[in-house]
Amino acid sequence: RKEVEQDPGPFNVPEGATVAFNCTYSNSASQSFFWYRQDCRKEPKLLMSVYSSGNEDGRFTAQLNRASQYISLLIRDSKLSDSATYLCVVNYGDNYGQNFVFGPGTRLSVLP
Amino acid sequence: DAGVTQSPTHLIKTRGQQVTLRCSPISGHKSVSWYQQVLGQGPQFIFQYYEKEERGRGNFPDRFSARQFPNYSSELNVNALLLGDSALYLCASSPHTETSGEETQYFGPGTRLLVL
Repeated sequence: RKEVEQDPGPFNVPEGATVAFNCTYSNSASQSFFWYRQDCRKEPKLLMSVYSSGNEDGRFTAQLNRASQYISLLIRDSKLSDSATYLCVVNYGDNYGQNFVFGPGTRLSVLP
Repeated sequence: DAGVTQSPTHLIKTRGQQVTLRCSPISGHKSVSWYQQVLGQGPQFIFQYYEKEERGRGNFPDRFSARQFPNYSSELNVNALLLGDSALYLCASSPHTETSGEETQYFGPGTRLLVL
């Protein structure tokens, strides 16, 4: 079983739609969680960190359920510019060293 | 402020050759990590360096090595290149310290390596 798994995608949605991405991780000894987005042939860019209490940044909402080892990302009112691959990331490191494990990514295409 | 920079941007090598990739972190960041990203997959962790010490190593063969310099820049070396080493090599820097708890990683644009 892979350490971090994501919805296989791709997701093709119309502008204005709400879309949700799911991610599960296998190792409960995880320290921190993130969503990154990656545009085609570009580097990953941080979208948001994910906290147990849930957090929101504009149209984006991230949730973490440590008991179920599950992370989600909700995008409301999708824009064409949201088209990208969304990467779920789990950090298994600690204060000594980091160990970022990326999921395979879920590709989103927002259609006009 | 300059972000993470990497050089070269593209590289073509043949099997059996050796390659050195370079990375300069964001000013003030002491932690540098290296990742390999094959087309269609997420980045795979290779190494993390902090204060010139190796702090983490992924599941890569000994052909892969790295080091960090006193100015916190870093090099990734790959020996005896194989066709399967063709990938995007990403460097990320982080303000991570042993006490800060700040974990966010910021990625450079990557070096695209093609092995023929």
